[in-house]
Amino acid sequence: DAGVIQSPRHEVTEMGQEVTLRCKLISGHNSLFWYRQTMMRGLELLIYFNNNVPIDDSGMPEDRFSAKMPNASFSTLKIQPSEPRDSAVYFCASSFPGTTAGSEAFFGQGTRLTVV
Amino acid sequence: GENVEQHPSTLSVQEGDSAVIKCTYSDSASNYFPWYKQELGKGPQLIIDIRSNVGEKKDQRIAVTLNKTAKHFSLHITETQPEDSAVYFCAASPTEQLIWGAGTKLIIKP
Repeated sequence: DAGVIQSPRHEVTEMGQEVTLRCKLISGHNSLFWYRQTMMRGLELLIYFNNNVPIDDSGMPEDRFSAKMPNASFSTLKIQPSEPRDSAVYFCASSFPGTTAGSEAFFGQGTRLTVV
Repeated sequence: GENVEQHPSTLSVQEGDSAVIKCTYSDSASNYFPWYKQELGKGPQLIIDIRSNVGEKKDQRIAVTLNKTAKHFSLHITETQPEDSAVYFCAASPTEQLIWGAGTKLIIKP
C-alpha cells in the first residue's frame, strides 16, 4: 500500500476563495483523522470519522470548515471562505482500531495551505 | 478530558549522548501511549508505543517507560545520531482518539 495520500501538497489561495483538501486512506483502515499543525498551536485534531461517520468534530474551528467521507477510502476537508489565519499544514491520518483503545495512526505527507 | 504535557520543548544533546523526553497525562483511563517522530516536511510517524499493562519497552536504541501511578511516561534515546534530529510527540489515548503533547524539538550536535 502506498500509505495515506494527500493532495495537493501545497496550496496557495486568495482570501475568500474555497479550498478543498483531499485524503485517501490506507486500504482496510476505517478511522480517519484530520489535523491542523501550526507553530503557535501545535497539532490540533479537527475531526475524526469512524466507518465514514463523524464521531467528534469539536475541533472544527468554525462553520467555514466542513469535512466529508463520501466512501470508505476517501475524505475531503473544505474551507469556504478561506482566511489568512487558516494558513497551516493540514494532515490526515488513518488507523485500524483494535479491540482496545489506541492504535497506530498513519499520517499523510500533509498539505501546506497558504491564504494570502 | 485528557491533558498531556510534554517537556522539554527543545532538547540539544551531543551526538552519542542520550536524550530523554518526558510526558505527563491526567486521565487515569488512558491505556495507550505512543511516541511519534516528525521529520521536516513530513507527517508524524510512530516510533514506539506502550500499553498500560507494561512498564517498559525497548526497540534497539529507543525505549519507553511508563509509571501509571504517577501518570507519566518517558522516551529514551541512547547513542544519539544525526538522523535522530526531529520533533518528537507523545500522546495518550483513553479512547481511540489520541491526545497529543506539544512536541519536543531534538537537536543532535555533531
